[in-house]
Amino acid sequence: DVKVTQSSRYLVKRTGEKVFLECVQDMDHENMFWYRQDPGLGLRLIYFSYDVKMKEKGDIPEGYSVSREKKERFSLILESASTNQTSMYLCASSGSGGGQPQHFGDGTRLSIL
Amino acid sequence: QKEVEQNSGPLSVPEGAIASLNCTYSDRVSQSFFWYRQYSGKSPELIMSIYSNGDKEDGRFTAQLNKASQYVSLLIRDSQPSDSATYLCAVNPSSTGGGNKLTFGTGTQLKVEL
Repeated sequence: DVKVTQSSRYLVKRTGEKVFLECVQDMDHENMFWYRQDPGLGLRLIYFSYDVKMKEKGDIPEGYSVSREKKERFSLILESASTNQTSMYLCASSGSGGGQPQHFGDGTRLSIL
Repeated sequence: QKEVEQNSGPLSVPEGAIASLNCTYSDRVSQSFFWYRQYSGKSPELIMSIYSNGDKEDGRFTAQLNKASQYVSLLIRDSQPSDSATYLCAVNPSSTGGGNKLTFGTGTQLKVEL
């Protein structure tokens, strides 16, 4: 089974802090994704990566950056946290080749005070 | 127009009944379709994949795909209270290029009542 592990289930930070969310997958997947999920808005893609050191912007990249130094790890960075970044953050991974599903981690519920 | 549309619900069905969840998509040449189940406060869990027209069955779940009409549906037979969750439809659109990006619907909330 695919295992996607997110470093924290719950996290509370203050406005202006730099926040790191970590995600690790154990299936040697090429593709990794960061989403946020808010009530009524569904899943929104922030960034994704299809290879080590490669990244592409998703639909809502503003205020976020990412890092992928190793194939198994994909980090989401909130450069200067703001209250409107309070959300559920979900990491996912998928294999290469067409038609591969994404597999999600347990999510991090982030609160910015 | 949203790329992947689902009725938000809630869809209420009695225990033991068939629940029918529907999804339409706008990209005519989409090739891959997925159903995820998401319990409240949890992350999405993949339950079905379907790639060709027709039906695909897995236990109590049946996915149906009609590419000509651009819809995909999920049937849950003998619905149980444990099936109460939000069901997300996801489509791999043709325009994604690399990376296997998916476009998600906003989900249909299913409630199975005793």
